[in-house]
Amino acid sequence: DVKVTQSSRYLVKRTGEKVFLECVQDMDHENMFWYRQDPGLGLRLIYFSYDVKMKEKGDIPEGYSVSREKKERFSLILESASTNQTSMYLCASLEKGQDSYNEQFFGPGTRLTVL
Amino acid sequence: RKEVEQDPGPFNVPEGATVAFNCTYSNSASQSFFWYRQDCRKEPKLLMSVYSSGNEDGRFTAQLNRASQYISLLIRDSKLSDSATYLCVVKTSANAGGTSYGKLTFGQGTILTVHP
Repeated sequence: DVKVTQSSRYLVKRTGEKVFLECVQDMDHENMFWYRQDPGLGLRLIYFSYDVKMKEKGDIPEGYSVSREKKERFSLILESASTNQTSMYLCASLEKGQDSYNEQFFGPGTRLTVL
Repeated sequence: RKEVEQDPGPFNVPEGATVAFNCTYSNSASQSFFWYRQDCRKEPKLLMSVYSSGNEDGRFTAQLNRASQYISLLIRDSKLSDSATYLCVVKTSANAGGTSYGKLTFGQGTILTVHP
């Protein structure tokens, strides 16, 4: 059974704190993604990684950074959390390949509240 | 204009009803199309891919019209367990670091509630 896990389901932080969101997948997938999901806006891509130590900006990277030191782990970092970063954060992984119908698997999500 | 647009609903239908969701996309170069399902407070999961010729999986039928850049999902004989948010997803080829990858763009989702 494929698995993407995230370190926390719920997290409450204060403005200005540094926040780490961890994601681990056990499928040996090359590609990993971080999204945020907000009402009325759907899922938006923050960052993704197509290999260890490689990262690319998504559509809304401002205020975030990422780290991919090992193939199975992809971390999202909020250097200085702000209230507008309160959201549901979803990690996903995808097998590298030419099949355009490869499924992207999601973790359970982390609901982050910044006070 | 949003890249992927869906009617957010909500759709409230009785058990046994037939319900249809529509989705339009703006990028004519999009390659692959999907419907994902997301239960309340859960992650999205793939419901079905959408192929050019249209495809069916039990009570679910997906259609694609590339000329009109339009995707649909039809649910027949609705069950209570079909209550969820249905996400229209479009995959487009993009490049990063010399590597081609499929970028997913999500619609905002359509909420379906099936009641007894």
